[in-house]
Amino acid sequence: NAGVMQNPRHLVRRRGQEARLRCSPMKGHSHVYWYRQLPEEGLKFMVYLQKENIIDESGMPKERFSAEFPKEGPSILRIQQVVRGDSAAYFCASSPRGSQDTQYFGPGTRLTVL
Amino acid sequence: QKEVEQNSGPLSVPEGAIASLNCTYSDRGSQSFFWYRQYSGKSPELIMSIYSNGDKEDGRFTAQLNKASQYVSLLIRDSQPSDSATYLCAVILTGGGNKLTFGTGTQLKVEL
Repeated sequence: NAGVMQNPRHLVRRRGQEARLRCSPMKGHSHVYWYRQLPEEGLKFMVYLQKENIIDESGMPKERFSAEFPKEGPSILRIQQVVRGDSAAYFCASSPRGSQDTQYFGPGTRLTVL
Repeated sequence: QKEVEQNSGPLSVPEGAIASLNCTYSDRGSQSFFWYRQYSGKSPELIMSIYSNGDKEDGRFTAQLNKASQYVSLLIRDSQPSDSATYLCAVILTGGGNKLTFGTGTQLKVEL
């Protein structure tokens, strides 16, 4: 299955720890997007990346959150000093091109902060 | 006004009936529209994309787009219990780059 891969699928962290979420796009896709779904809320855009570049981070909280998509390896969403409000499902999507293209979602990482 | 609006439901239809899901959007210049299905605890799964006014059919699903009235709808024919899920409307807004703006979703229940 050459779909979008995310790991881990479930992640438990205590307040103040760091969370690292990884995403490997579909084969042939060079555009990666991160979305967050808080409990009982809709999906919200966080950040859009291409290889080695952040294209749009308008949905990313200004503090504690960062994202990268290195030349080699998966895209990583990093959350420093997690708080209970960070508990959510984090989904990665990928597309072959940018520009209004269809995005395909991975299975998500469910982060629980104790 | 929300950028993308959907009735949260639940929308209940009997098995075999047509389910009609609606979505309105505020940005008249939007060009790209998507329907995703999300089962509880799972990730969004693409059903269909639509870019031009009119109907687009794929199997039991038909998407309808009316840019003048700023709405997009999804019809599901011969509804099955396995269609019970939350249906998410997503739009790429003008000036929004490639980011999807989602509605809150409509919960569909197909009853036996």
